Amino acid sequence: GQSLEQPSEVTAVEGAIVQINCTYQTSGFYGLSWYQQHDGGAPTFLSYNALDGLEETGRFSSFLSRSDSYGYLLLQELQMKDSASYFCAVRGFQKLVFGTGTRLLVSP
Amino acid sequence: DTAVSQTPKYLVTQMGNDKSIKCEQNLGHDTMYWYKQDSKKFLKIMFSYNNKELIINETVPNRFSPKSPDKAHLNLHINSLELGDSAVYFCASSRGRTSGGYEQYFGPGTRLTVT
Repeated sequence: GQSLEQPSEVTAVEGAIVQINCTYQTSGFYGLSWYQQHDGGAPTFLSYNALDGLEETGRFSSFLSRSDSYGYLLLQELQMKDSASYFCAVRGFQKLVFGTGTRLLVSP
Repeated sequence: DTAVSQTPKYLVTQMGNDKSIKCEQNLGHDTMYWYKQDSKKFLKIMFSYNNKELIINETVPNRFSPKSPDKAHLNLHINSLELGDSAVYFCASSRGRTSGGYEQYFGPGTRLTVT
């Protein structure tokens, strides 16, 4: 089976940097994806790590350590529009298994 | 152009009824999925199809029956609706099959409310 753990909620102010952690236990692992979902909206793909290390995409970066079964999403220069839920998802054989999600609240 | 579209966006119905949700993608992807997102926002895969072939069925009650007439369409029919079926249902698509679809494109969701 697979299980993923994320903090349920994180708060930060505009302009700050925030890190959302994800730890996983899985019987089959090909990589870790991150998705963003605004209230009432659909999940949208942010980033993917298949190998250890940091992947940078604009203000967002994602990190993976396969040996530690751990990854994180780093959001820099936070903006109000970044207030959303963020999901890590383990890529297994033929499917993604999503974590429980982290609600990020950005205040002025 | 909408990449993944679903209809209807909202569905309110009574227990015991049968309803369908339709999904279409114009991305040329080979694989399509149905997810259920409950009130706690837990997103769980239900089914996956690759080129009209069912490849994942995650122990979903057989009241739920997916159908894929072609690789661009995946519909979900639900019989004898129950209160616990109330949720948001998302359709998604991705390239490839064994890749696990690490980059999936989601439709806008269908909010199903069973009363």
